[in-house]
Amino acid sequence: GAVVSQHPSRVICKSGTSVKIECRSLDFQATTMFWYRQFPKKSLMLMATSNEGSKATYEQGVEKDKFLINHASLTLSTLTVTSAHPEDSSFYICSAKDRIGEKLFFGSGTQLSVL
Amino acid sequence: GENVEQHPSTLSVQEGDSAVIKCTYSDSASNYFPWYKQELGKRPQLIIDIRSNVGEKKDQRIAVTLNKTAKHFSLHITETQPEDSAVYFCAASNQAGTALIFGKGTTLSVSS
Repeated sequence: GAVVSQHPSRVICKSGTSVKIECRSLDFQATTMFWYRQFPKKSLMLMATSNEGSKATYEQGVEKDKFLINHASLTLSTLTVTSAHPEDSSFYICSAKDRIGEKLFFGSGTQLSVL
Repeated sequence: GENVEQHPSTLSVQEGDSAVIKCTYSDSASNYFPWYKQELGKRPQLIIDIRSNVGEKKDQRIAVTLNKTAKHFSLHITETQPEDSAVYFCAASNQAGTALIFGKGTTLSVSS
């Protein structure tokens, strides 16, 4: 299957700071990547669809100014959590579909803890 | 938009028994239905998937069935083993390139 790399795996930051998470497709070009958020023992909630070279599409209820997404190349999408607050603490996980565009492969996820 | 419901939320079985997890979806245009297994703190792993032109698919101890008319699909695990213990998610999407919408997950516990 396709390989998706995500960094960092864990980050602890102070309230008010910004955190950037990187998601890379290692062995294929991903014109579209997806960002999910997962609370403990909960499901994966789609936050936004990241499109290479264009603006991301955000799901209802997700603040675009809070969660900045940049998809500057065919292999890299970044999610920046701006002015982080404790309620932003969560497991963030990116994903990309393979060349055919059907099977979804996940990055290893980033556990964000905001103090 | 698509809505995926998954049941049960928790399932406990004895080793060797079968486990069945059921999902329903709302969008009749959905045509791809994967199942993921997620262990604690790890990424979801695709274990099996089915497309709308197929009614059943099997891979060793795992099988998935799809009823398009009723808009539901199920995961069947036979001869369960302790290492099958994890959270299982069903999902649906309606075309290549679009995001998957996930069910709420089922925590499967297999006791030996």
